[in-house]
Amino acid sequence: SQKIEQNSEALNIQEGKTATLTCNYTNYSPAYLQWYRQDPGRGPVFLLLIRENEKEKRKERLKVTFDTTLKQSLFHITASQPADSATYLCALDEANTGFQKLVFGTGTRLLVSP
Amino acid sequence: KAGVTQTPRYLIKTRGQQVTLSCSPISGHRSVSWYQQTPGQGLQFLFEYFSETQRNKGNFPGRFSGRQFSNSRSEMNVSTLELGDSALYLCASSLDGVIPYEQYFGPGTRLTVT
Repeated sequence: SQKIEQNSEALNIQEGKTATLTCNYTNYSPAYLQWYRQDPGRGPVFLLLIRENEKEKRKERLKVTFDTTLKQSLFHITASQPADSATYLCALDEANTGFQKLVFGTGTRLLVSP
Repeated sequence: KAGVTQTPRYLIKTRGQQVTLSCSPISGHRSVSWYQQTPGQGLQFLFEYFSETQRNKGNFPGRFSGRQFSNSRSEMNVSTLELGDSALYLCASSLDGVIPYEQYFGPGTRLTVT
């Protein structure tokens, strides 16, 4: 069956460290993958998109990798800050039909302690 | 630019009733997608509208329907409400719907069915 898996347990790290979140998928062949951030009581906010032919994408303190062989994406936040505490969701296009139909992972909650 | 707005923000309904939720996309955005978010199932795609046409549909029963108006505003309707329909309903807009595209989410409507 198709599934997207993210660590269901919260990730606790110290301020200043690098947070690494994992997104694994099964029985999908996505052309691209997206990462979103969601704060409690709010809608998700788009962070980064990475295509299948890109190994790595960076934006300020954020870095995403995409390994289509391992069927995995890693999301890194360097020099993490308490303000980075949130739930991070990965999403991929289920259909590859030309019309985007995003399937989301259940998200990983990140807690950054001062 | 104003973000995506959703009304109402909170709603309490009784089993068997019907409900209509409204979404106003970012000005100029023509694609509107709807998602249901629950603790157990996470974010699940309901449907997407582009230029008043439904382009994509998720695996939800026919009780869930939607429409888009010529000004890109969208509504979704749930008939014969069930307890399991209690969820956060999120809409997301994007500019032109050419994949891949990032989506801008609204704050959601929290629906509680009693």
